[in-house]
Amino acid sequence: DAKTTQPPSMDCAEGRAANLPCNHSTISGNEYVYWYRQIHSQGPQYIIHGLKNNETNEMASLIITEDRKSSTLILPHATLRDTAVYYCIVRVAEEYGNKLVFGAGTILRVKS
Amino acid sequence: KAGVTQTPRYLIKTRGQQVTLSCSPISGHRSVSWYQQTPGQGLQFLFEYFSETQRNKGNFPGRFSGRQFSNSRSEMNVSTLELGDSALYLCASSQGWENTEAFFGQGTRLTVV
Repeated sequence: DAKTTQPPSMDCAEGRAANLPCNHSTISGNEYVYWYRQIHSQGPQYIIHGLKNNETNEMASLIITEDRKSSTLILPHATLRDTAVYYCIVRVAEEYGNKLVFGAGTILRVKS
Repeated sequence: KAGVTQTPRYLIKTRGQQVTLSCSPISGHRSVSWYQQTPGQGLQFLFEYFSETQRNKGNFPGRFSGRQFSNSRSEMNVSTLELGDSALYLCASSQGWENTEAFFGQGTRLTVV
């Protein structure tokens, strides 16, 4: 089962910041938080990941709370092309290899 | 740099048949994972290969199998196809297998009739 909880859907106005929350209250100390998005009928696209500190790249920013029980993905200036399903994933490190456990994600609709 | 290539993109098979799907990872990447996506179950992990060895396996029946070649290319096979195997099959490529980002292909859309 997915170790994360996300709202099923969110709306955002074009040009405004989109803030997508994620709860991961049972996260372990060595588990990372990853964000992916999936535009209809395409493969998921990697966005960003982090362990404890806040992270920023050309696509987004990731804010992780100090207790690591929740995080927020921020798209600073959402465009219509950002409409997608966003997945927050705790990266499970098995004894051999890793796997991504996807939940239902958040459907983000960016509206003009 | 070329991305992850999955072939074929679309496939129609009959119940009882078997199918082989192919995945070419990003050059230099040694880990390949496979996922199944259906409307009802969402994205589910099938298995992961690293250096030609299966490192992890999801909760799927033995009809689902895979392998990885020395050039890191991977194939997955589904035998005795069932209607419920209709899905988008996605392959993800990673440089390593410890907390490195995975890059997904466009997937193979399998329809079983």
